[in-house]
Amino acid sequence: KAGVTQTPRYLIKTRGQQVTLSCSPISGHRSVSWYQQTPGQGLQFLFEYFSETQRNKGNFPGRFSGRQFSNSRSEMNVSTLELGDSALYLCASSWGQGLFGVEQYFGPGTRLTVT
Amino acid sequence: AQSVTQPDIHITVSEGASLELRCNYSYGATPYLFWYVQSPGQGLQLLLKYFSGDTLVQGIKGFEAEFKRSQSSFNLRKPSVHWSDAAEYFCAVGKRSNDYKLSFGAGTTVTVRA
Repeated sequence: KAGVTQTPRYLIKTRGQQVTLSCSPISGHRSVSWYQQTPGQGLQFLFEYFSETQRNKGNFPGRFSGRQFSNSRSEMNVSTLELGDSALYLCASSWGQGLFGVEQYFGPGTRLTVT
Repeated sequence: AQSVTQPDIHITVSEGASLELRCNYSYGATPYLFWYVQSPGQGLQLLLKYFSGDTLVQGIKGFEAEFKRSQSSFNLRKPSVHWSDAAEYFCAVGKRSNDYKLSFGAGTTVTVRA
């Protein structure tokens, strides 16, 4: 079974630009979560989508948004990029319901550098 | 609010020696517990998990962890480390309610010396 895939793997953007990251979950998984990883703040939860609905949101500004499609693939968007948005963005998928719903499997991440 | 503490930022062990990584959590009830490993430039790989039942859980790559309710701990162990175990290790907790997010500790970096 294929794992979680994320594209692109690396991205360099300029301050003020916007960026869209993509995530394809493990087949059958209906939940996709996004996390930001930085050396200073560690792993922080951005948001979680299940069946095209945002179920949970972390403490990030409105510049960070996401969506999920009917095939469970997800995108996250960051508008008006700031230097502090430079990070590894990790996507994780899970069943999203039931006893094992919170068991998450991670993709390789997208390394975003804002200059 | 739930929190996860990994007291050791960095641990150095000799190849073949045993390893123990500590994890303590603060939460009103027993959460779901996980250990993940991250190699440089990679995503997180699930090592093992605790949902219920036997408090000693076995994972991949020869790792095990023990849940101790009285100490709110979920420590990770490996009897004999290999050079390939050098990585960063994260403890994570998830709520038992309908809240499908994980809260992570700050991570412990493991260096393996020959």
